[in-house]
Amino acid sequence: GAVVSQHPSRVICKSGTSVKIECRSLDFQATTMFWYRQFPKQSLMLMATSNEGSKATYEQGVEKDKFLINHASLTLSTLTVTSAHPEDSSFYICSASGTGVIDTQYFGPGTRLTVL
Amino acid sequence: GQNIDQPTEMTATEGAIVQINCTYQTSGFNGLFWYQQHAGEAPTFLSYNVLDGLEEKGRFSSFLSRSKGYSYLLLKELQMKDSASYLCAVRALNDYKLSFGAGTTVTVRA
Repeated sequence: GAVVSQHPSRVICKSGTSVKIECRSLDFQATTMFWYRQFPKQSLMLMATSNEGSKATYEQGVEKDKFLINHASLTLSTLTVTSAHPEDSSFYICSASGTGVIDTQYFGPGTRLTVL
Repeated sequence: GQNIDQPTEMTATEGAIVQINCTYQTSGFNGLFWYQQHAGEAPTFLSYNVLDGLEEKGRFSSFLSRSKGYSYLLLKELQMKDSASYLCAVRALNDYKLSFGAGTTVTVRA
C-alpha cells in the first residue's frame, strides 16, 4: 500500500513557460501533501505543505506566486512552476501523508525539471 | 528549528554491517524516520522511531535515544543494491513536517 504517483517524470521547457506537476495518492486519502526540491547531491528541502481544500503553507524563501500549489482533493495536489528560469531546474518530489497513527510520508517518484 | 547531522559518506564490503549515526537538535520532536534514496529516485521509507529503543525490520534496524538526540540505522548482510543515500529525518511536533539531514552515501564494495 501507500503508493504515490507523480507526473510527469521528466520535463524540459523553455525559459518563461509554466510547468504543472501532478501528485496523486493512489491507494489512500492524503490529508496533507508536501512538496520538496532537491538539488544534486543535496538533501530534500521542503517548499510547502498543502492540506486539502485550504491554501498551502510555504517555507521561508519560497515564492508563493512562482510556485503555485493546489490541493483540490484528498488524492491530488499540483505544483505549477510559473515563468520558469534555468535556476528552477531541479528534482521536485511530492509526498503524501494519511490519517494513520504514524502518518508516514510516502514519496512520489519525483519530477526532473530542466529549464533551457 | 531542527539541526540534523549525519556522516557524508561510508564505504563497506558486501556481507558486512554498517551503522549510520544521526544526531539532532530540535525544538519539538514527534518521531524520527529513515529513508533510502537511490540516485535519481525518490526516497523510500525504511523505519520509524518515536520511543527509545531498537526497531528491527529484516536486515535493517533503527535505534533511538531521545535524551541524547541520537539515532542510528544498522544495515546488516550488506548487498550491492544497498548502495544508496540514507536520509535521517525528524518530524516536528505540531505540523508533521519532516526536516532532513544531508544524507549519508553508502557504497558497498564486492
